[in-house]
Amino acid sequence: DTGVSQDPRHKITKRGQNVTFRCDPISEHNRLYWYRQTLGQGPEFLTYFQNEAQLEKSRLLSDRFSAERPKGSFSTLEIQRTEQGDSAMYLCASSLTDSPLHFGNGTRLTVT
Amino acid sequence: QKEVEQNSGPLSVPEGAIASLNCTYSDRGSQSFFWYRQYSGKSPELIMSIYSNGDKEDGRFTAQLNKASQYVSLLIRDSQPSDSATYLCAARQTGANNLFFGTGTRLTVIP
Repeated sequence: DTGVSQDPRHKITKRGQNVTFRCDPISEHNRLYWYRQTLGQGPEFLTYFQNEAQLEKSRLLSDRFSAERPKGSFSTLEIQRTEQGDSAMYLCASSLTDSPLHFGNGTRLTVT
Repeated sequence: QKEVEQNSGPLSVPEGAIASLNCTYSDRGSQSFFWYRQYSGKSPELIMSIYSNGDKEDGRFTAQLNKASQYVSLLIRDSQPSDSATYLCAARQTGANNLFFGTGTRLTVIP
């Protein structure tokens, strides 16, 4: 499978716990994106990497959220001190420069 | 005003009919436009991309772009029940790296 891979598919956590998600992009893609999607809404941009550099973060992104792409390959998204409002589908996407985004299957987070 | 706006629907069409999905965008600097299909509980899947004014056809799908009116549409000919999904319109502004998505239009094709 050469598509975008995300792990885990589902995560249930208690409020206040930290969670970390992983994304493996399509291997030749230099750009990697994180989006969040809630029911009935379109994907909302969180952050973007070109190779290992994090070039853009949404102004809406809380400082409890941090993302890394240490070697320009896979990426992790960590949420600290989770809140119920963090419950959503977290989508990772990758692309070549200025080409369409290809999404992974997402990680569904439920905060209880 | 949202960057990309879509009628959330639901839109229902009978099998075999043409489904017409519409999208408007607010930033005149937007240059690239995309339609994604999203089945319930699944991730968005790219259907079409369009970059210049006019029509672009791919099988049963036709994307239409009118930059003067800041309007993008997707036509689905010979609609099938398997086309039932939410269709997301997305736009990328010139020099921007991320896509702005609309809220999606839910389409139901009735057998």
